[in-house]
Amino acid sequence: GEQVEQRPPHLSVREGDSAVITCTYTDPNSYYFFWYKQEPGASLQLLMKVFSSTEINEGQGFTVLLNKKDKRLSLNLTAAHPGDSAAYFCAVSATEGADRLTFGKGTQLIIQP
Amino acid sequence: GPKVLQIPSHQIIDMGQMVTLNCDPVSNHLYFYWYKQILGQQMEFLVNFYNGKVMEKSKLFKDQFSVERPDGSYFTLKIQPTALEDSAVYFCASSHLRWGPNTGQLYFGEGSKLTVL
Repeated sequence: GEQVEQRPPHLSVREGDSAVITCTYTDPNSYYFFWYKQEPGASLQLLMKVFSSTEINEGQGFTVLLNKKDKRLSLNLTAAHPGDSAAYFCAVSATEGADRLTFGKGTQLIIQP
Repeated sequence: GPKVLQIPSHQIIDMGQMVTLNCDPVSNHLYFYWYKQILGQQMEFLVNFYNGKVMEKSKLFKDQFSVERPDGSYFTLKIQPTALEDSAVYFCASSHLRWGPNTGQLYFGEGSKLTVL
């Protein structure tokens, strides 16, 4: 079955710097990709969903890159601020309309002032 | 925004006992899910549920596990009997439509931490 590896498990950057989190997956049929943010004591919040036909997606303060050839998905926070401190999870879905997500282990991001 | 509520947030029980984890999904949602996260590991799919039936379950969904949503009340995950390896955080999620790229968001609860002694 699908396996998703997420790195790094922990990341500490200074405010204003960029932060990059990467996931690699194994199933070439993976079709939908997601990034979730989880603040302490809160539920997972969807940051972005990416379809296989889209390679670069921009959100507020971050960019998601999808490289299907390398089976790699990355989240790039462009100018980190304290509110970005949280756990981040990537998730992959293999088929259209699939309910079943395969998650990465998560990255604990700390933004230092 | 819409919230999925999970009760209890933390429960400690002895091995062999029964436990029921409760999920109050978003009010107009029809599809419900449970995921399991062991400490330090990734979140893993357990089961999804629609119209009173399990649609799909993973190998983690052991025979000791059951789910139901009687009369539109809580969506529950019951484990009977519990085992040590059931210690984990269990996340409930719900969606209005069968979740896909164009059908909106999967909403997660904050998790129920289960400790089996």
